[in-house]
Amino acid sequence: QVRLQESGPGLVKPSQTLSLACTVSGDSVNSGSYYWNWIRQSAGTGLEWIGRIYTSGFTNYNPSLKGRVTISLDTSKNQFSLKLNSVNATDTAVYFCARSPGVEGLDVWGQGTTVTVSS
Amino acid sequence: DIQVTQSPSSLSASVGDRVTITCRASQSINKFLNWYQQKPGKAPKLLISAASSLQSGVPLRFSGSGSGTEFTLTIGSLQPEDFATYYCQQSYTTWTFGQGTKVDIK
Repeated sequence: QVRLQESGPGLVKPSQTLSLACTVSGDSVNSGSYYWNWIRQSAGTGLEWIGRIYTSGFTNYNPSLKGRVTISLDTSKNQFSLKLNSVNATDTAVYFCARSPGVEGLDVWGQGTTVTVSS
Repeated sequence: DIQVTQSPSSLSASVGDRVTITCRASQSINKFLNWYQQKPGKAPKLLISAASSLQSGVPLRFSGSGSGTEFTLTIGSLQPEDFATYYCQQSYTTWTFGQGTKVDIK
């Protein structure tokens, strides 16, 4: 059974960098079969796809985040990570990691982690 | 970005009712449309991909149809466990989600 688990600080100060990791069990981020995604959800903006990474390191990002995002793989830990720079209060959200076979949707999700941006 | 707009934003229904939710895309997305169910405090769950392909383990009372710009999710006979919020999501270009349809008990 494939499981994804988000981890990282629950509180980040404005203008700093939000950093989260997603640990994958039951599958390999190196398998070449899936994309590994980050999504967030807030009351204000609903569900927002942040971006994804493939085994090769190829990435797609949501242009709305204006170059503040980096997603990377750590195959030694079977993890993928999210970094979001220059955060502000509008980045406060529940952050989810998820797997996708391609364009066929996000078929396995982590439970989500709440990140609050506040001084 | 391609926008996807769901209607209605909420509905009240009874167990056994047939429920239909619509998702409209701002431009043609072929069949690149997925449906999710989300319950409070939980992650979304993929129900249907590619407009009409039911995910393994999802009850047959759920069905999806459509192509181009108009899509529907139908619950054939609403069950108690189906009260939740439903989202559509397009995967044609930069992925975007609809704003959600909350299905609650009448």
